[in-house]
This record gives sequence, C-alpha cells and structure tokens, in this order.
Amino acid sequence: DTAVSQTPKYLVTQMGNDKSIKCEQNLGHDTMYWYKQDSKKFLKIMFSYNNKELIINETVPNRFSPKSPDKAHLNLHINSLELGDSAVYFCASSQALEAFFGQGTRLTVV
Amino acid sequence: AQSVTQPDIHITVSEGASLELRCNYSYGATPYLFWYVQSPGQGLQLLLKYFSGDTLVQGIKGFEAEFKRSQSSFNLRKPSVHWSDAAEYFCAVGRVDSSYKLIFGSGTRLLVRP
Repeated sequence: DTAVSQTPKYLVTQMGNDKSIKCEQNLGHDTMYWYKQDSKKFLKIMFSYNNKELIINETVPNRFSPKSPDKAHLNLHINSLELGDSAVYFCASSQALEAFFGQGTRLTVV
Repeated sequence: AQSVTQPDIHITVSEGASLELRCNYSYGATPYLFWYVQSPGQGLQLLLKYFSGDTLVQGIKGFEAEFKRSQSSFNLRKPSVHWSDAAEYFCAVGRVDSSYKLIFGSGTRLLVRP
C-alpha cells in the first residue's frame, strides 16, 4: 500500500490551461504539504494544511489553490498555467514533522 | 527566520570510501533536524531524524548524523559508501508549532566512483 500517492505522475499541458494534481495519504497524519522542486532540485514549501485547515501559504501566486476535503486528501489546482510553473510538485504528509513524500508530479507547461 | 545551508553542491567519492555531507542551520531554538535522500525520479525518503537526546543518531542504510549545537551543524556520515548510495541528499529543519514548517537545504548530489 502506497503511503502517500499523487496523481498524475506526469502532466504535460499548454500555457493558459487549468490543471489539478491529487494527493492522498493513508498514514492517518494530521498535516499535509505541497512542495515545488525546480530544475536545480531546490525544494520550496508552498502550502501546509493541518486537520484540513490552511497553516502555511508561502508567497505563491494565487493561481495556485489548494483544497483539503478531508484529512487524508490535499489537492492542488492551478489556473492559467505559465511556463515558469514547470517543475516537480511533491505532496507530503507528516506527524510531528516527520514527513513522508509522494512520488511527485512532473508538470511540463508548453 | 529558520534556514538550512548545504555548502556542497556535489561530492564524488569512491565506492568503499567514507562520506560526510555537511549541513548547517539557522534557528532560534533547538530545531528538529532531518536528512532525506532522493533517488532519480523518486520522492524523498527519510534517512534519519534528530528531535532531542543523544546527539549521534543512527538511520537507515548505514547512515548516521551528529547534532552539534555549538556549530549549528547536523552532518551526515557513512563509513563505507556503496554505488547504490548515489543520489541527492537533503537536510531539513523544522519546528513543531502552529506553522508545522519544514525547510529544506538546497541538496548535495552524491556521485560514487566504481
């Protein structure tokens, strides 16, 4: 059983489109995150939710909107995609900061 | 603000040689410290963590790390590197408060010579 699963694994789309990435965890953790990893492998936190409540919202364009329907799910919706949004997006869940990561979604905007 | 520095962008070692990856942090209190490994095309896997207590912590795959408060460091070590250890290594620092924020260093790429 995969602990943190993200779908899709790859996403290729045109500029201006809207897309969503889904994340589910079966670890029973209270906290979930979205991270963006750029081409230089730098990991930047985007959002953090704790018990479905938004805790961290870093300086991310408001084209990015997370949604947590329940503790086990944290989805990421992106509007009006831009070339600079191309990256690998990682979902993670944690208990006391010990984080478990999904496999990542490689988003390519063309 | 908390931050993490990994001064080495990449390190090359021979298989069987020892390894030390450096990590320095900036934080106003005792941090929670972590090392993660990322193999190509994969997510991040936790190697080890430090919360409190013994400053030398053991992790998976034969890795260990030592917390040195006086140097604000949490360096990762392995006595004998295997070819399968080639990957990207990330140090992370966090605090358990209302922010639940986990901040990562820029990573060190480990290359292993046969």
